[in-house]
Formats: sequence, structure tokens, C-alpha cells
Amino acid sequence: DGGITQSPKYLFRKEGQNVTLSCEQNLNHDAMYWYRQDPGQGLRLIYYSQIVNDFQKGDIAEGYSVSREKKESFPLTVTSAQKNPTAFYLCASSITGNYNEQFFGPGTRLTVL
Amino acid sequence: DQQVKQNSPSLSVQEGRISILNCDYTNSMFDYFLWYKKYPAEGPTFLISISSIKDKNEDGRFTVFLNKSAKHLSLHIVPSQPGDSAVYFCAATGSGNTGKLIFGQGTTLQVKP
Repeated sequence: DGGITQSPKYLFRKEGQNVTLSCEQNLNHDAMYWYRQDPGQGLRLIYYSQIVNDFQKGDIAEGYSVSREKKESFPLTVTSAQKNPTAFYLCASSITGNYNEQFFGPGTRLTVL
Repeated sequence: DQQVKQNSPSLSVQEGRISILNCDYTNSMFDYFLWYKKYPAEGPTFLISISSIKDKNEDGRFTVFLNKSAKHLSLHIVPSQPGDSAVYFCAATGSGNTGKLIFGQGTTLQVKP
């Protein structure tokens, strides 16, 4: 049963703390992506990785960090430097290439108190 | 600079009628377009796509039309059903995008019984 899992579904953190969001896929996809969704806005790309041990910044990478040590996993760390971290975070994966659909996980709602 | 725009934040239609969701883009390098459907607190799911070599693609009740000269695409849902009520995102990519998708802001569709 292939798919993308994100955990936890809801996450609460105090201001000033770093927090890591998990994303795992068993679709054997090379490419993985992190997006952020805010009310009334589309999905904005934070980071993406096309292959293990390599990743690139997206449009809004400031205050975030990622790692890609395994093909199946692409964790996102929201650091204390992110000024407005409360949002809905979505992870996606796809096969490598330019014209392929991305498959999304269920998302993590992060609330910073 | 919003390269993909969905200018209607919301749309309400009666069950059984046609729903038309619109999307405009500015980047002439985009040559592949996708529509995603998203329910609240869930990840988006892929609906339908179209390549720039076509002007129409149909899949059951869903048809996407592409007007390259106007840089405009639309998604038609016929007949609309209450279960179609969701947020619809259009996305675009091209050969220079290394697999990245550029998303519009989304249109919330409500289908009334």
C-alpha cells in the first residue's frame, strides 16, 4: 500500500523552539518537496530534493532546513528564525522529470504559541 | 510575481450544473498544466493534466481546456456533485522548472444540493 505519510497531523510548539516535521514515502520516488499553505494562498515551495543527499531552496526557504539522507525520507525543520511558522505544511513526491504529477501527503498543521 | 493566478477565490453552483474554474498564467515557458483538488486538512489529490500540445483533455466529468494564446486554462466539471465541493488548485511547470510546480491561489467550489 504505497503512499506518503506525514507525522504528526497536528503539532504545537512554543515560540523560539525548533521543530522537525516528518515525511516518508514508499513510492520509490526520487524527488521530494515541501510546501507551505496559508489561508487564501496557494502552495508555496520551501525546499525540494531530486536525489538523495542533494536539495535546493524553493521560493520561501528562509527559516527552514531539510536533509535527504535516505530516498524515502525528507524531514523539514522549522527553525526559530522562521518569522511566521504557523501554517499547514505539505510534503510531496514524484518521479524525476519535468512533466510528472506530484503525490501529496496528508499534511501537518503546525501552530506556534 | 504571481506566475499562476486563479482570480476567483470562490464559486457556488447548483448540483447537476456545470462548474467552470479558471486559471491564468504569465510564463510562456510553461507547457504542462495540472489541476489538484483539496479537502480541508488533507493533502491535494491530482485530478487532471494537459500538455501544451493539446487544447483539451477529458476524463469522465472533468475536462480541461487550454488556450495558449490567451495563457488561460479552465476546468469544467459536468455534472457537478456535492462531493466536488473542495478547493481546486491549478499548477504549471515547464522544461526549465526541474520538476517544480507553480501553484495558483486556489478556488473554493461549493456545489449545493
